[in-house]
Amino acid sequence: AQTVTQSQPEMSVQEAETVTLSCTYDTSESDYYLFWYKQPPSRQMILVIRQEAYKQQNATENRFSVNFQKAAKSFSLKISDSQLGDAAMYFCAYRRQTTSGTYKYIFGTGTRLKVLA
Amino acid sequence: EPEVTQTPSHQVTQMGQEVILRCVPISNHLYFYWYRQILGQKVEFLVSFYNNEISEKSEIFDDQFSVERPDGSNFTLKIRSTKLEDSAMYFCASRELFDSNNEKLFFGSGTQLSVL
Repeated sequence: AQTVTQSQPEMSVQEAETVTLSCTYDTSESDYYLFWYKQPPSRQMILVIRQEAYKQQNATENRFSVNFQKAAKSFSLKISDSQLGDAAMYFCAYRRQTTSGTYKYIFGTGTRLKVLA
Repeated sequence: EPEVTQTPSHQVTQMGQEVILRCVPISNHLYFYWYRQILGQKVEFLVSFYNNEISEKSEIFDDQFSVERPDGSNFTLKIRSTKLEDSAMYFCASRELFDSNNEKLFFGSGTQLSVL
């Protein structure tokens, strides 16, 4: 069964510093998508970044980048130049294809990021 | 950017009552999902819906739960007889037919369900 594991329930970072959030997953598929979603206090989930498994190049979106290690099934998120607005719950997610041909997204347990002024 | 809309934002109900949570997915999206999140815990998959039928459901989604797309725009989640443990934030999400350049779930802002 596919699982997504986030081993850090909470992380803190000083404003302007860099932080890395960890995620590992388990799958037998060769092609899939991985995502990081941000959930601020408003609780609406917002996509931060995505990675397609067949692409070896790590995805980047401005201050956000990933370290995708396919063989190790690891997908960490790096936030550079952390800002107060980055404080949120971050969820790692995996998209897999179902037997019906549609897609299911599986989320990890989340990492709460605190940004210290 | 287009949005998924959920109503109501908060719903309080008595145990044993029926509730209907409503969602309006983005208009050209074809896949629909319900997730729930018990306070401070993980986001749990409930059900996915495509082509007017359930494509997958979790073990949480028992016969007390049902989904419907009654009119081509709304997507509803019904809980027939609510239990205390149904108290959670319920998120609706939708996505397009496959678009590798824009692959993502669009989430609504959630309905906080409180069962008393």
